[in-house]
Amino acid sequence: DAKTTQPTSMDCAEGRAANLPCNHSTISGNEYVYWYRQIHSQGPQYIIHGLKNNETNEMASLIITEDRKSSTLILPHATLRDTAVYYCIVRVESGGSNYKLTFGKGTLLTVNP
Amino acid sequence: NAGVTQTPKFQVLKTGQSMTLQCAQDMNHEYMSWYRQDPGMGLRLIHYSVGAGITDQGEVPNGYNVSRSTTEDFPLRLLSAAPSQTSVYFCASSYGSLRWGEQFFGPGTRLTVL
Repeated sequence: DAKTTQPTSMDCAEGRAANLPCNHSTISGNEYVYWYRQIHSQGPQYIIHGLKNNETNEMASLIITEDRKSSTLILPHATLRDTAVYYCIVRVESGGSNYKLTFGKGTLLTVNP
Repeated sequence: NAGVTQTPKFQVLKTGQSMTLQCAQDMNHEYMSWYRQDPGMGLRLIHYSVGAGITDQGEVPNGYNVSRSTTEDFPLRLLSAAPSQTSVYFCASSYGSLRWGEQFFGPGTRLTVL
């Protein structure tokens, strides 16, 4: 799985958009970008994933650059409940021969009132 | 749907004791797995299953056993607890195949081994 680099921490004002970056310059053509988050003391929560097109769901938007070397997770209107560690994970879509989700250190997003 | 449920929420064991952490899902997911999370170490895969009757080892399987007799349940057994197994344990499940990466995690079991 390709390595990812994320900032250690970010702050965001409540009600504003939170833009969380992720670098994955060694991504392969068949690898997807997944985003999860983990609110304190809870299990990780799947947010969104994509290959090369931008994706949007009820939780967030995922913007992937044309060269696929980086991506941004956008929470359009951050709330205090969005305070969490956000993980960017790159891997093939199916389980294949490697069934491990590799969670790095992620980005601690703090949403401030 | 209850999603992924784990019991117990908290457990304290003495060194050498055995116990079973329970995990159940009601979404008819093929894939289930167990992770442990330690401070500064991230989540590490212990064991996983791609369907009933099929299990395999993850990256840190030593000291743990699993079985998958039904689609719904995937218990994790600690054979002889050691202080190094003090951790938070998460169970996860997904549909498998092309939706494998969309995993649902349980709330976790916080285990302390004295």
